[in-house]
Amino acid sequence: RKEVEQDPGPFNVPEGATVAFNCTYSNSASQSFFWYRQDCRKEPKLLMSVYSSGNEDGRFTAQLNRASQYISLLIRDSKLSDSATYLCVVNRPGSARQLTFGSGTQLTVLP
Amino acid sequence: GAVVSQHPSWVICKSGTSVKIECRSLDFQATTMFWYRQFPKQSLMLMATSNEGSKATYEQGVEKDKFLINHASLTLSTLTVTSAHPEDSSFYICSARSGLAGIQRAYEQYFGPGTRLTVT
Repeated sequence: RKEVEQDPGPFNVPEGATVAFNCTYSNSASQSFFWYRQDCRKEPKLLMSVYSSGNEDGRFTAQLNRASQYISLLIRDSKLSDSATYLCVVNRPGSARQLTFGSGTQLTVLP
Repeated sequence: GAVVSQHPSWVICKSGTSVKIECRSLDFQATTMFWYRQFPKQSLMLMATSNEGSKATYEQGVEKDKFLINHASLTLSTLTVTSAHPEDSSFYICSARSGLAGIQRAYEQYFGPGTRLTVT
């Protein structure tokens, strides 16, 4: 089983739509969770951290369910500029502070 | 915010040659940097963890004699791909840990823009 699993997509949605991405992780000892965004042929950029109580940043809402080892990202009112690959990222328990990346979910927002 | 630079941004080399990639943290000190490789349509795979002043820790399956890592200062880590072959062609990305306190912030990594290596 992969350490971090995501639906690869692609998700093609119209502008203004709401879209949700899901992610599961295998190591129950993980404690830090993130969503990164990666544009084509670019480096990943931190989109938001995911906190236990759930958190929101503008149009983006992240949720964490530790019992199910499940993370989600909701994007409301999609913009063309939201088109990218969204990476679910989980810490690898240990002192080196390493991260494990999911394979990403590709989103294309259509005009 | 934390800025990480990487040089070169792309390189084409002949099979058998060596290529050095530099990763610098520009506005903060990074005791730990990470090197990743990403093949097309795949996720980032951690190659090694680079610690300032000590030997790098390599992931299983990554040849330490082929991918030489040096982290001689708090702002610079280098990755040298020795005797490169076409199968080493990939997108190499470094990152530096922010070093901030807090369970979430301590894990945040800032990425360099990547180096696209093509070995012919």
